[in-house]
Amino acid sequence: QQPVQSPQAVILREGEDAVINCSSSKALYSVHWYRQKHGEAPVFLMILLKGGEQKGHEKISASFNEKKQQSSLYLTASQLSYSGTYFCGTEPLGNEKLTFGTGTRLTIIP
Amino acid sequence: DSGVTQTPKHLITATGQRVTLRCSPRSGDLSVYWYQQSLDQGLQFLIQYYNGEERAKGNILERFSAQQFPDLHSELNLSSLELGDSALYFCASSVGQGRQPQHFGDGTRLSIL
Repeated sequence: QQPVQSPQAVILREGEDAVINCSSSKALYSVHWYRQKHGEAPVFLMILLKGGEQKGHEKISASFNEKKQQSSLYLTASQLSYSGTYFCGTEPLGNEKLTFGTGTRLTIIP
Repeated sequence: DSGVTQTPKHLITATGQRVTLRCSPRSGDLSVYWYQQSLDQGLQFLIQYYNGEERAKGNILERFSAQQFPDLHSELNLSSLELGDSALYFCASSVGQGRQPQHFGDGTRLSIL
């Protein structure tokens, strides 16, 4: 079953913060985050493997709460280059395949 | 540049036809993944190969097949094409045999007329 992402879309002004959530109905082994700009291939951002793990990449970070089967992606002081569609990919326990969420479209305006 | 090469970039063909999409993984990567992306379905995992062997299977139709060759390049064959097969097909690669693709190609846009 596909993980659920929220919000579906968000528009921010440059410098504002955003949080994108990803929820799964299954117990998870890992969560992956990708960004895809229009007309381009997805770009891998990060993978979170442990419950409670938090990772960061410049001003983009993420957390993974394995008890709640949720992950959140945090974008702080957003830049124009952050615009795109963000996908989470969840890998359930039990050797199941990676499944992508429906995506969150982020638009940053000057 | 991800290092993953997909050819062709665009394919236009008719219903009932058969096409082959090709992917060369990033140098050193042993895993190749295939994904289908359409407007209504999002990114759908099709299949993964690791070092020539099938590693994981997703929502791949029986009309579709894939393989990974000894030089690690991969081909995705789509046959008896239907209008609903129109989509962007991505290949991705990674070093290990895990389920997470790390480097995506630019995709092949398939249009069925």
